[in-house]
Amino acid sequence: QKEVEQNSGPLSVPEGAIASLNCTYSDRVSQSFFWYRQYSGKSPELIMSIYSNGDKEDGRFTAQLNKASQYVSLLIRDSQPSDSATYLCAVNDQAGTALIFGKGTTLSVSS
Amino acid sequence: ETGVTQSPTHLIKTRGQQVTLRCSSQSGHNTVSWYQQALGQGPQFIFQYYREEENGRGNFPPRFSGLQFPNYSSELNVNALELDDSALYLCASSFEGALGANVLTFGAGSRLTVL
Repeated sequence: QKEVEQNSGPLSVPEGAIASLNCTYSDRVSQSFFWYRQYSGKSPELIMSIYSNGDKEDGRFTAQLNKASQYVSLLIRDSQPSDSATYLCAVNDQAGTALIFGKGTTLSVSS
Repeated sequence: ETGVTQSPTHLIKTRGQQVTLRCSSQSGHNTVSWYQQALGQGPQFIFQYYREEENGRGNFPPRFSGLQFPNYSSELNVNALELDDSALYLCASSFEGALGANVLTFGAGSRLTVL
């Protein structure tokens, strides 16, 4: 059973701080990695996708991928209360058909 | 450009009943996937439809079935409902054939409660 592991949290950071969210995955052949944000009672919303080792930046968000360590992370700079949500890490399955999601990390940003 | 729309948004059924959930894909997308999200869990893949055929299936029993129509809309049918089927059912569309084939756009979901 291929797995994606995340700390469930809650991760609490003050407004303006950097939030660091981590994810490990078990399938070495995974090629596509995604971070989704899900507000309470809403559906997941894509924040970042990353396909190759290294960093990818988009505004206040940076995704980091290390395939050798089977590790992907999301950094949120200058965290805002509106960033308070559950962040889901997802990786593609071997067939490239499905995404395998972690349980999500709940982030709480206090003002 | 319209997003992914799902109906109904909420519904309550009793154990043993059947339910049909509907989804309209985002404009330009040709692939539809369905996911089940139980409370406090990440979404779990049910199946995917491409060119009106099932293109992959997760670890769900046969009483979960689906359809994709020529306009790329889709239905999820669940027979013989069980209490554990209570969850948020998410439809996601994507475009098969590009690098971003796994880039899913989710609908708002259908929240099913089974009593």
